Amino acid sequence: EAGVVQSPRYKIIEKKQPVAFWCNPISGHNTLYWYLQNLGQGPELLIRYENEEAVDDSQLPKDRFSAERLKGVDSTLKIQPAELGDSAVYLCASSPTYLTYNEQFFGPGTRLTVL
Amino acid sequence: SQQGEEDPQALSIQEGENATMNCSYKTSINNLQWYRQNSGRGLVHLILIRSNEREKHSGRLRVTLDTSKKSSSLLITASRAADTASYFCATPVVSGAGSYQLTFGKGTKLSVIP
Repeated sequence: EAGVVQSPRYKIIEKKQPVAFWCNPISGHNTLYWYLQNLGQGPELLIRYENEEAVDDSQLPKDRFSAERLKGVDSTLKIQPAELGDSAVYLCASSPTYLTYNEQFFGPGTRLTVL
Repeated sequence: SQQGEEDPQALSIQEGENATMNCSYKTSINNLQWYRQNSGRGLVHLILIRSNEREKHSGRLRVTLDTSKKSSSLLITASRAADTASYFCATPVVSGAGSYQLTFGKGTKLSVIP
């Protein structure tokens, strides 16, 4: 069974440029998460999807960040425009359903560097 | 905001020794999870312990939970070089949207020296 797939693995851009990250969750997983992980820190949730619905985006900086999961499968996270402080690893995770007891399966992440 | 906090921040041991990491959290929980992250990779779920459990084993891993002290420990026995990684505890916390979200600590960076 394929795991969570993310692309690109690395991205280097200049500040004020737009950037997009793509995630394909494990087949059949209804719940999809985007996390931000700064160096030396644990992941922090940005947004959670139940199928195609964003049910928790309370920590997504909506002025510059947006996300979509149009068909309830793969998802895209976008930053426009990027700032220096956005340099971090962006992790995507999925789980079969939303239950606090559910294990979350993480992708390898996209390491973003903003110059 | 982070709910859990791991201790120590970094740990270096010889191969074959045991490694113990601790996690303290602030609010009541119904479960606590431990994840491992190898350098440059995503997180991998190791074990989940429910609030009504005091101890759980999985292979060389032993997790304890003390809800009265709001703390958990992860013990890795007979460590191997491949155990070198960062270890995070994660607990469900009510988010600003009113639903539960998994919150992670800053992690313990374990180095196992061959």
